[in-house]
Amino acid sequence: GQQLNQSPQSMFIQEGEDVSMNCTSSSIFNTWLWYKQDPGEGPVLLIALYKAGELTSNGRLTAQFGITRKDSFLNISASIPSDVGIYFCAGQRGTGANNLFFGTGTRLTVIP
Amino acid sequence: GAVVSQHPSWVICKSGTSVKIECRSLDFQATTMFWYRQFPKQSLMLMATSNEGSKATYEQGVEKDKFLINHASLTLSTLTVTSAHPEDSSFYICSVRWDTQYFGPGTRLTVL
Repeated sequence: GQQLNQSPQSMFIQEGEDVSMNCTSSSIFNTWLWYKQDPGEGPVLLIALYKAGELTSNGRLTAQFGITRKDSFLNISASIPSDVGIYFCAGQRGTGANNLFFGTGTRLTVIP
Repeated sequence: GAVVSQHPSWVICKSGTSVKIECRSLDFQATTMFWYRQFPKQSLMLMATSNEGSKATYEQGVEKDKFLINHASLTLSTLTVTSAHPEDSSFYICSVRWDTQYFGPGTRLTVL
């Protein structure tokens, strides 16, 4: 299946710093999703974006759905050690059964 | 969001044996569930879509005779890895779609 390009691939930051990561695709999506995966666990939904241009926050997390519908970014402000994990973006086209495409992931390490 | 459970959380088996993994939707009835596979340091790849009361839909390159899927009720889908080999060792994750996709905690399969 198609994968979305996510960058950066990995990040090492100091606790308290802000983080920014993005996801791009050559195809248009109707919904963008951001998940966090801890080691040995399934992905947990962080933010869902349903409308081009939409900016949504969830606590210290903010995500935006690109105007072109081909990209999205996720920002984490004032990072803390528990932010460590792998962040995946996912694009969804329509209401079909197998329409969720995952990004390649961004591995975040927060140094206390 | 939807709550999804998986059992077992991890399993070790000998080469040539079969392993069954269960996925349960705990708080709503899911006519469709999805099975993903994730190799170390990689993203999630959709294997198949499990349809309640009918045959599963497999992604290209996934052997339907090797990965048997049964979706006998609206809250349970099972994935059976038949005649498992070491290359089948992976992290298997199921998901259900409510407003968007919610994932189970995953099952780590190790084939010796």
